[in-house]
Parts: sequence; C-alpha cells; structure tokens
Amino acid sequence: GESVGLHLPTLSVQEGDNSIINCAYSNSASDYFIWYKQESGKGPQFIIDIRSNMDKRQGQRVTVLLNKTVKHLSLQIAATQPGDSAVYFCTFRGSNYKLTFGKGTLLTVNP
Amino acid sequence: GAVVSQHPSRVICKSGTSVKIECRSLDFQATTMFWYRQFPKQSLMLMATSNEGSKATYEQGVEKDKFLINHASLTLSTLTVTSAHPEDSSFYICSAAPLLAFFSYEQYFGPGTRLTVT
Repeated sequence: GESVGLHLPTLSVQEGDNSIINCAYSNSASDYFIWYKQESGKGPQFIIDIRSNMDKRQGQRVTVLLNKTVKHLSLQIAATQPGDSAVYFCTFRGSNYKLTFGKGTLLTVNP
Repeated sequence: GAVVSQHPSRVICKSGTSVKIECRSLDFQATTMFWYRQFPKQSLMLMATSNEGSKATYEQGVEKDKFLINHASLTLSTLTVTSAHPEDSSFYICSAAPLLAFFSYEQYFGPGTRLTVT
C-alpha cells in the first residue's frame, strides 16, 4: 500500500543553522511530492513541491531533493529561523488528487 | 489568492448532538474538496473526497452516515458530524483543488476546525 514515513520524528537546531528533514516513501508510482509546514493549531501550508522527473528544486531558503532510486525525499532549510519551528510533512499525490501524509517531523529552532 | 476558510474555527458540543463545519474557497472555484481529520500529535488522515454536485467518496473505515458531506457549490463544502461522541473530538481540516488545477496538482488547505465533544 501507499505510505510515507519520516526518518526523524523530531529535530532541534540552533537559529542560523541549516536543517535537513528526511522522508522515505514506498509507492514508486508517485510522480509528485509536496512538503507542507504546519504550525500549532493551523492548517498545512505549502512549502515546495517537486515532480518525479526532477531530482532537485530550490525555493527561498528551501531546497527539496528527490532520490527515486532509494525512494527518499528531503527538505533542506537554510539559515533556520525561529519562525520555521513547526511540524513538517512530506506528502505525495496519488490518484484523484489524494494526498498521503507522512507522520511529520517536529522542527524546533533554538534562539 | 487561493484562500480557503473554515467555520467555525472552534466548536464545543454535547455528546449526541450534530455539528456542521463549513469549508469555503474564497477566491477560486473548487471542483474537488477534501476533508481530513487530525488527532493530537498525529498526521492528517483523509476522510473523504467531495466533488461538486455528486456524492462524496469516503475512505475505508469512515462512516458516511456519521460524517455527512455536502458539496453544493464550487465554493462550499460542508461536513456534518452527526450524533457526535467524545471520540469524534479532533481537528478537522479541509482542502480545495482549483477548477483548473488538473495538471498543476494544486491543493489549498483551510485553517482547521477544532471540535470538542463533551
């Protein structure tokens, strides 16, 4: 079945450091992946996405890397700020627009 | 642009009563809306997919008679939790896929509704 898992359930970093959040997936047929950020008591917020025909995509302070060979996805956040503290979910799109969410990684940024 | 709202943001109800949660796409039309449930410190679990003008498609294990979904227009979907029980207490989140998003896979999330059943 479809599943998305995370290697690290919690991550604590110092302000200014770079953060890397990892994710493994099992469905090799997925062609689209999205990272979401969820702050406490709020809905998920889109961060960055990547299609399966790419292995890297960069946004503002964020980079997503996709390794289809080992079915691994990562989110890199540069110069992490206190406002980046949240739970981060990797997801992939299945049929009919359905999103499968991973368990989430809690990122804590220490000032 | 691409804002999704939910109402109410928080609701407390007594066991046995019904609660309706609204999900609206404010500045776009949504062919498809999704309803998720999230328990504390857990991930989002898809409950059902709602298409405008047709019956919702429920995920395995979700009782369609308990969680009534209506998608009467391209900007509004409602979720009614009928005969609510304390175990239904959760964070309910909707998302909406824009009308022309077939190739872009866009999906926008609402801010969530915290339901507490006493």
